[in-house]
Amino acid sequence: DAGVTQSPTHLIKTRGQHVTLRCSPISGHKSVSWYQQVLGQGPQFIFQYYEKEERGRGNFPDRFSARQFPNYSSELNVNALLLGDSALYLCASSLPTLTTYEQYFGPGTRLTVT
Amino acid sequence: GENVEQHPSTLSVQEGDSAVIKCTYSDSASNYFPWYKQELGKRPQLIIDIRSNVGEKKDQRIAVTLNKTAKHFSLHITETQPEDSAVYFCAASKGNDYKLSFGAGTTVTVRA
Repeated sequence: DAGVTQSPTHLIKTRGQHVTLRCSPISGHKSVSWYQQVLGQGPQFIFQYYEKEERGRGNFPDRFSARQFPNYSSELNVNALLLGDSALYLCASSLPTLTTYEQYFGPGTRLTVT
Repeated sequence: GENVEQHPSTLSVQEGDSAVIKCTYSDSASNYFPWYKQELGKRPQLIIDIRSNVGEKKDQRIAVTLNKTAKHFSLHITETQPEDSAVYFCAASKGNDYKLSFGAGTTVTVRA
């Protein structure tokens, strides 16, 4: 949904550096999930946060961390960047409720590690 | 964990013809199956979804079918138009576990 915003749009970093990506969910949504999309592949789940607590973590190394703030926005942090971290990082926003599962994606942050 | 397989990887159809994309999933506990359309350089856009208590759902030219026994679901696009050209992803999740597991995507090209 157009209401999910992410910043920055593009980012170029050097191996070994650290990066912080930001996401603001749709107004009223309390959950944010982060996905990594490598070129030519489907998105891979990294984290989900709901009401500021981590609810799920994908198969990613401890170099990846995230948090959610009281206003439900979220940050994804990646330390010690590797070339393989180059990807589109997507944030998805959801309510969610027991019967509402839809996730709406932001435009993504394109990270290039050189 | 959940494994979602998607076929075909590429699909070329003549404008006006139908397109069908098929996905299978491995975890019988999965009960939510969304489809996303991603145009080049843009965000994945939710186009239709189906719950495990429904066998078929339709929205204008798009329909999705689900076979829980066989653990597969399909996207059907009828009367294709050039603007349907994009990458389509299927996904699966469990109801109270909102992690989406995605297929590898299908690149659909509609020839004018």
